Amino acid sequence: EVQVVESGGGLVKPGESLRLSCAASGFSFNTYSMNWVRQAPGKGLEWVSSISRDSNYIYYADSVKGRFTISRDNAKNSLYLQMNSLRAEDTAVYYCARDGQLDYWGQGTLVTVSS
Amino acid sequence: DVVMTQSPLSLPVSLGQPASISCRSSQSLVYSDGNTYLSWFQQRPGQSPRRLIYKVSNRDSGVPDRFSGSGSGTDFTLKISRVVAEDVGVYYCMQGTHLITFGQGTRLEIK
Repeated sequence: EVQVVESGGGLVKPGESLRLSCAASGFSFNTYSMNWVRQAPGKGLEWVSSISRDSNYIYYADSVKGRFTISRDNAKNSLYLQMNSLRAEDTAVYYCARDGQLDYWGQGTLVTVSS
Repeated sequence: DVVMTQSPLSLPVSLGQPASISCRSSQSLVYSDGNTYLSWFQQRPGQSPRRLIYKVSNRDSGVPDRFSGSGSGTDFTLKISRVVAEDVGVYYCMQGTHLITFGQGTRLEIK
């Protein structure tokens, strides 16, 4: 069974950093691109970042470019999102999703940025 | 950037009645490989999004056949032939041709 499980969310102050993780199982992780998508409380879905299966191609939304870094470790079947210089507007549930067409999603991890 | 525009944003429907959601993109979603990467997602209250339809009209495994997708180029439609209670939630279109962009979401409720 395909599973992706996010972790690492929490409450941080503006300007602080946080690293999210996504553990994948049930499929050949190294053959799929992966993505982060977020959803602010009561709002719609916003794509954050994508990474190709070999990490050669990486893309970011303008809203996070220069502050967030996506990475993956195919040996550990894991996806990461390093989030620096966090802002209140980064408060959201962050989802990990498989493939360029987002066929499987995790349950999400909540990031709250507040002083 | 590609902008995805859904309508309506709120959709009250009686049980057993059909429902239709429109999604328009600001530019063609036909990719260089000939495919059109337009998907539809359902998000039930308190749940993660779930993909229903991919490449315009292909239903994901386990998706009831009352859901169907159609369209081409820049205009796309999700139809539910007969709404049941479990269809309540928010529906999003998403393009995956030019990076990824979501529509604003359409909230389906039972009238």
